[in-house]
Amino acid sequence: KAGVTQTPRYLIKTRGQQVTLSCSPISGHRSVSWYQQTPGQGLQFLFEYFSETQRNKGNFPGRFSGRQFSNSRSEMNVSTLELGDSALYLCASSLWTTSTDTQYFGPGTRLTVL
Amino acid sequence: EDKVVQSPLSLVVHEGDTVTLNCSYEVTNFRSLLWYKQEKKAPTFLFMLTSSGIEKKSGRLSSILDKKELFSILNITATQTGDSAIYLCAVELNRDDKIIFGKGTRLHILP
Repeated sequence: KAGVTQTPRYLIKTRGQQVTLSCSPISGHRSVSWYQQTPGQGLQFLFEYFSETQRNKGNFPGRFSGRQFSNSRSEMNVSTLELGDSALYLCASSLWTTSTDTQYFGPGTRLTVL
Repeated sequence: EDKVVQSPLSLVVHEGDTVTLNCSYEVTNFRSLLWYKQEKKAPTFLFMLTSSGIEKKSGRLSSILDKKELFSILNITATQTGDSAIYLCAVELNRDDKIIFGKGTRLHILP
């Protein structure tokens, strides 16, 4: 079974631009969560989608948004990029949406904002 | 293929017990090893380890890395019910700027 895939793996943007990241979960998984990883802040939760609905949201500004498609693939969008948005963005999938479910992480998308 | 393996996959102990969680890895271009505690959906950062043999401590939690044998352990002493969580181990690589997570150890503390 293929693991969680994220595209692109690397992205360089300039301030003010917007970016869309994509995540394909493990086949059959219906929950997709997004995280931001930065050296100083560790792993921070962005949001979780289950069956095309946002189920949980972290403490990020409205510039960060996401959606999930009927095939469970998810996209994350960041508008009006700031330098502080430079980070590794991780996607994780799980079968259901309970906190007891095992999450499988993708390799991440490294976003650099210049 | 780079991989991170955690054991045991699940563990049930009584309050007050001491537990040891294991994380072994086979990767190239190792940069650091990270431990997280996941209670709801957002993992909480616990430790980052980069050097062998140096124990990191935070209250009842401690962790150490062995870069020769390629593993790390996370110890929790005098466990409490609030320690019940999934504990994730992840390895950061220099190559490709990747991070690889293990599947986690599900720890349940009985009162």
